[in-house]
Amino acid sequence: QSALTQPASVSGSPGQSITISCTGTSSDVGGYDFVSWYQQHPGKTPKVMIYDVGNRPSGVSDRFSGAKSGNTASLTISGLQAEDEADYYCSSPRSGSTSVVFGGGTKLTVL
Amino acid sequence: EVQLVQSGAEVKKPGESLKISCQASGYSFTTYWIAWVRQMPGKGLEWMGIIYPGDSDTKYSPSFQGQVTISADKSLNTAYLQWSSLKASDTAIYYCARPFSTTWYKPFNLWGQGTLVTVSS
Repeated sequence: QSALTQPASVSGSPGQSITISCTGTSSDVGGYDFVSWYQQHPGKTPKVMIYDVGNRPSGVSDRFSGAKSGNTASLTISGLQAEDEADYYCSSPRSGSTSVVFGGGTKLTVL
Repeated sequence: EVQLVQSGAEVKKPGESLKISCQASGYSFTTYWIAWVRQMPGKGLEWMGIIYPGDSDTKYSPSFQGQVTISADKSLNTAYLQWSSLKASDTAIYYCARPFSTTWYKPFNLWGQGTLVTVSS
């Protein structure tokens, strides 16, 4: 099944803000308020940063925020830090197939 | 300690069968779903399927339905992912993961360390 659509890469300088988009359809992103975002550093397991569109698990910096409009969700990271450099993945349940689908992933580079 | 511990790396030939495992500890194994996630070399995450060990209810991604089998053994607190005939394209890291709540589509906050499967002639 097709993945959710994310930009392959984004970049920003320390202190700046960046936004990563995640586009799906009315069967996944647009149909549920259950979009999650994961951060994965090289060689590490993913870590959930946002769940249910805009909620942060305890321990996740408030520099991370999420939103959704229609079939597109977004992750914003403000006050970029070197440690934010990682791959980011969105995910959403998908109706019809009763499954979860990930985005293709976005590599964030902190310049 | 709440954790998922996966079996070790495997090197197999095309056409061979394989079963990898994920042992849970520190929580009630039958209460939470456990999923399998594939990550091919240098690629993204792919949700393969998920099982509820309490009654073995299983959901598969259409991309993996019929290609793999997910199972669980309540007596061993262990979930499994198996192939009957491996292909070179099955080369990947396979993670087991548990959602943070008892709802199957919630995000994963507990991950195994990953099992590298290499399929090569």
